[in-house]
Amino acid sequence: AQTVTQSQPEMSVQEAETVTLSCTYDTSESDYYLFWYKQPPSRQMILVIRQEAYKQQNATENRFSVNFQKAAKSFSLKISDSQLGDAAMYFCAYRSGGSQGNLIFGKGTKLSVKP
Amino acid sequence: GAGVSQSPSNKVTEKGKDVELRCDPISGHTALYWYRQSLGQGLEFLIYFQGNSAPDKSGLPSDRFSAERTGGSVSTLTIQRTQQEDSAVYLCASSVVRGTSGRTDTQYFGPGTRLTVL
Repeated sequence: AQTVTQSQPEMSVQEAETVTLSCTYDTSESDYYLFWYKQPPSRQMILVIRQEAYKQQNATENRFSVNFQKAAKSFSLKISDSQLGDAAMYFCAYRSGGSQGNLIFGKGTKLSVKP
Repeated sequence: GAGVSQSPSNKVTEKGKDVELRCDPISGHTALYWYRQSLGQGLEFLIYFQGNSAPDKSGLPSDRFSAERTGGSVSTLTIQRTQQEDSAVYLCASSVVRGTSGRTDTQYFGPGTRLTVL
């Protein structure tokens, strides 16, 4: 079975600084997707970024980028120029490439942003 | 236009009562998922719908939990004889299915229903 591990329950960053959230996963599959979702206090899970396993290039979305190390099964999220609105729970998630595609989540990292 | 909507936003019920939670997916999304988020267990997959069919119910924690989807749109998650351990946030997500591959795409989530069982 696939598992996702987020080893940092809480992280803190100064506004305008850069922070990296860690995620590792375990799978024997070769076809899969990885995601980072953000969950603010409103509870709405918001997609931050996604990575297809077959792509070697790391995904980027504005201030958000990932470091995808397939051999090491690592998928970290880097947030540059942190903003107060980035404060939230961040969840790393794995999805098999098959048709069903339910998500397997890590336990989450609570990110605080200090003004 | 909308995103995924869920109702009610919050539900408080007494132990032993039945509850129904509703999910209205994004229009055109044929795949629908239910997840449960609790302090102890984190985020868990409950059930997946493709159209009105539920090919995977493996995540439902007990036979007190059931779900249906009608018209390929709205889904209802029903919990019978609620227990205190059912207290959690229930999240719904939907996605499109890509062409002939049958693969689902990125999941978009609703705001969830917070269920409290007293």
